[in-house]
Amino acid sequence: GQNIDQPTEMTATEGAIVQINCTYQTSGFNGLFWYQQHAGEAPTFLSYNVLDGLEEKGRFSSFLSRSKGYSYLLLKELQMKDSASYLCAVRVFMDSNYQLIWGAGTKLIIKP
Amino acid sequence: ETGVTQSPTHLIKTRGQQVTLRCSSQSGHNTVSWYQQALGQGPQFIFQYYREEENGRGNFPPRFSGLQFPNYSSELNVNALELDDSALYLCASSLELGTDTQYFGPGTRLTVL
Repeated sequence: GQNIDQPTEMTATEGAIVQINCTYQTSGFNGLFWYQQHAGEAPTFLSYNVLDGLEEKGRFSSFLSRSKGYSYLLLKELQMKDSASYLCAVRVFMDSNYQLIWGAGTKLIIKP
Repeated sequence: ETGVTQSPTHLIKTRGQQVTLRCSSQSGHNTVSWYQQALGQGPQFIFQYYREEENGRGNFPPRFSGLQFPNYSSELNVNALELDDSALYLCASSLELGTDTQYFGPGTRLTVL
């Protein structure tokens, strides 16, 4: 089966750095996405990794190791508005089409 | 703003009824995917349409059906509503199959009583 694991909840302090991990066991891997979702709102795209390594985009970076089935999202200089759920999603090629398999999300709480 | 809109925003139905949810994709986006998201969970893939044809389906029963129209709009229909169908329903559009990014609409919150 297809499985994605993320911590349920994390807490960090404003101005600090936090790393949110995601491990996956999937077949037909075709890329990994990170999305941010504020309560009651739609997910918004943060990053995409298809090759091993680090992708940096401003305060956010995402890392992928395909051999380990592992990714992390790194958030620097945390701001209160970063309080949200962070969803890891793996795109797989299955049954002749692409699908996104989603983790349950990590709720990040930022404290002053 | 992603350029993807959904209607209605909220909806209350009773068990056994039927519902139609609507989505308007970004112009030029040929792929639309529909997801069900229960509270505290990640989205669950319902199905995907590409150029007006179903192109993949998740583990949902046939009472979940859809349509995609040439004007980049689409519908999700759910028959014989059950209490467990209460969730946030999200549509997401992308340019083509397998492209990098899906752009989500704001969702429709469906409550089944």
